[in-house]
Amino acid sequence: QKEVEQNSGPLSVPEGAIASLNCTYSDRGSQSFFWYRQYSGKSPELIMFIYSNGDKEDGRFTAQLNKASQYVSLLIRDSQPSDSATYLCAVTGSQGNLIFGKGTKLSVKP
Amino acid sequence: GAGVSQSPSNKVTEKGKDVELRCDPISGHTALYWYRQSLGQGLEFLIYFQGNSAPDKSGLPSDRFSAERTGGSVSTLTIQRTQQEDSAVYLCASSTSGIEQFFGPGTRLTVL
Repeated sequence: QKEVEQNSGPLSVPEGAIASLNCTYSDRGSQSFFWYRQYSGKSPELIMFIYSNGDKEDGRFTAQLNKASQYVSLLIRDSQPSDSATYLCAVTGSQGNLIFGKGTKLSVKP
Repeated sequence: GAGVSQSPSNKVTEKGKDVELRCDPISGHTALYWYRQSLGQGLEFLIYFQGNSAPDKSGLPSDRFSAERTGGSVSTLTIQRTQQEDSAVYLCASSTSGIEQFFGPGTRLTVL
């Protein structure tokens, strides 16, 4: 049974700081990794996906993958209050579905 | 273009009743997924449809849950004899590539 673990938080950072969100996964064979953002009462929306070891940058967001350590992270630079949400880490399951962690709640304080 | 739509947005039912939840995927998306999210929990995979192939039902929590997809498009998730533990937000997602799954707004089910 694949598992995805995240610190539930809340993680509180001041506006303008770097927010670092972390995720570990149990299946060493996992190939695809995703970060979703979910505002309260809303459905998840994809922020980034990453397949290869290393960093992938998209605007203020950077995803980092370390397959040897089975570790994925998301960095948010210049954090804004509008980034306050729950961030869900997910890996692809054997059926093409996504296996989600329980999410980390991020709060960016003005 | 239009995103994934789900109906109803909210459903309150009594324990023991049957409910049907509907999902209308993005046009052209061949893959359709159902998940549920209980309060304070992550998303739990329920069932997956790929085109007109038989669905993968491995995530369904009990035989009270069933789903169908007509014409490779609209899907209905049916829960028979609802129980209080079925209360959750039921989310549908569709995908064309299997990479990015686009989620609908969800149906909030409350079983009294």
